[in-house]
Amino acid sequence: QQQVKQSPQSLIVQKGGISIINCAYENTAFDYFPWYQQFPGKGPALLIAIRPDVSEKKEGRFTISFNKSAKQFSLHIMDSQPGDSATYFCAASLRGYNKLIFGAGTRLAVHP
Amino acid sequence: DTGVSQDPRHKITKRGQNVTFRCDPISEHNRLYWYRQTLGQGPEFLTYFQNEAQLEKSRLLSDRFSAERPKGSFSTLEIQRTEQGDSAMYLCASSWGYQETQYFGPGTRLLVL
Repeated sequence: QQQVKQSPQSLIVQKGGISIINCAYENTAFDYFPWYQQFPGKGPALLIAIRPDVSEKKEGRFTISFNKSAKQFSLHIMDSQPGDSATYFCAASLRGYNKLIFGAGTRLAVHP
Repeated sequence: DTGVSQDPRHKITKRGQNVTFRCDPISEHNRLYWYRQTLGQGPEFLTYFQNEAQLEKSRLLSDRFSAERPKGSFSTLEIQRTEQGDSAMYLCASSWGYQETQYFGPGTRLLVL
């Protein structure tokens, strides 16, 4: 129940295309869902986050879509660029708790 | 605001040796977290401090691991009698107040030979 399942494991997208990464969770008590971006040799950096009372949140080229009934959420990267090539992690946490539970990650490669 | 810093960035040690890592959180962040990340996996929670109090520890944190945050500022993570299975990236993160956003440091990569 504490797991967050992420797919795909890896993704190749052409420059200008849309990258879509999906996550699913079981614990309906989760109430905070961030996405992190990690470059090789660096720590994860927060991209965008959403709460379950909102179905979509957009920040620049990054959009989170949230489906509470299906217990799924996804990250969409519009107009993908080679500089977006990194590993992306979804995560979830419980209100009142502090640990983030991460998915296994998606390695994105954007080809020119 | 210089971000979360960690030292050392890389550590190679022999099995059975003790190692200690340091984390300096963002100034005034009262919450500090340690995570471990193995190759190809997401970070896994190890432990959490609010100010100097260690409030939660994962079952991953065996008795060979100890963490401290003596003055509510920097934190140390010590691994005693290291094993090859301890090889991983050790990440530190911090947050302020009741904000959920955690800011991660660059990590310490440990290799146990």
